[in-house]
Parts: sequence; structure tokens; C-alpha cells
Amino acid sequence: DGGITQSPKYLFRKEGQNVTLSCEQNLNHDAMYWYRQDPGQGLRLIYYSQIVNDFQKGDIAEGYSVSREKKESFPLTVTSAQKNPTAFYLCASSIETVPYGYTFGSGTRLTVV
Amino acid sequence: AQKVTQAQTEISVVEKEDVTLDCVYETRDTTYYLFWYKQPPSGELVFLIRRNSFDEQNEISGRYSWNFQKSTSSFNFTITASQVVDSAVYFCALSEAQRSQGNLIFGKGTKLSVKP
Repeated sequence: DGGITQSPKYLFRKEGQNVTLSCEQNLNHDAMYWYRQDPGQGLRLIYYSQIVNDFQKGDIAEGYSVSREKKESFPLTVTSAQKNPTAFYLCASSIETVPYGYTFGSGTRLTVV
Repeated sequence: AQKVTQAQTEISVVEKEDVTLDCVYETRDTTYYLFWYKQPPSGELVFLIRRNSFDEQNEISGRYSWNFQKSTSSFNFTITASQVVDSAVYFCALSEAQRSQGNLIFGKGTKLSVKP
């Protein structure tokens, strides 16, 4: 079955460490997205990529980095520069930039300990 | 600027009651798309509906219905005869064809609790 796989489901990070969240899709979608969800804040866009080897900053990109070396993969690195990284992170993809609806992964819950 | 407002933070109803979730949006584009997503406790967002700005027909899908009114910039979602399985957080979202390159802008969500 086609879909988006995010791993791990739960992740714990010590302060000062970088950590990478995985996002893989087998839907042959061109566009991929990373959102951050905080309680009562809705979803906020971190980064997005419309094509391989290209990506754009979203509304809250500071402290994060991404790469898009393959169409299927869009990993997100939470760097030590991100001051408040504890949150729920959702990856999504869409067939093209004019959205027919995003397909979302099941999310990664990151906690700084 | 584009914006989506879901004024109801939390709603609690008893099973079989009807419930309406409100969504008000702001945009300057003439071509835009509106969405509703459901987020159950498992965390994954599930797509419910997409509506473009040129189609104001209301839509019904089983117990779900959507009322799109451009005059009031609203895209409300009604669940008829609610069930416990409807308990989730519901998000309304907006995409502008030109200004935001198609990216979705989400409201803050409405948490619906349906009690047995």
C-alpha cells in the first residue's frame, strides 16, 4: 500500500544535540512538507520541497534543516539552534503544488530531556 | 494576509447530537481551495474534503456535510448524529493558488469530544 512513513514515532533528545526525523513516501508525489504541531497552535510549516534537490523555508524554519536528494525522502534535522524543539512533527506529500489534498504521515513526537 | 480561524477550541457533545464546527478564512486570491482534516488520537491527519472557490455547492457525505459561503468567508462542517468515533481534532485549511504557492495554511483546530 502506498503512503508516508515517519520514523521514529517517539524520539528523545538531549539539549544541544542534533536529531534527524525520517520521512519516506512511495506515492510518487513531487511535493513534500514538514509541519510542526504544538498544543493549541495548529500546524505550522517548517520547510517544503516541490522538486528533488530544491526546498524552501516555511514560516518557522529557524533551527531546522532539510535535504531532498531523492523524490521519496525528505528528512528533517532539528539542530541545537532550535530553542524549543519539543513538539509533534508531521510530514506530508502532495501530487503537485496545486493541492488535491495532502497525504500525511503518522508523525514523530520529539521530546527534549 | 491569508488566515484561517477556528473560533471553537473544544466542543463536547453527547452521542447522537448534531454538531457544527466553524471555519472562517481570509484571502485576497480569487482562486483558492478549502480543506477539512480529521486528526484522531493516533496523530495522523486524515483528509475529509477539498472545495475550490468557484464551487459553492454544499456537500454531503454520509453523516458529514459542509456549508461553503463566500459571502461570509466561511466553510463550516456539520456532523449529524455524532458518534464516539468522531472524537478527534478537526482542522480547516486554506490554500491560495498564487500567493502561498499552494501551501496549506491551517487553523488551530477544534477538539471534538463525543460522549457515549
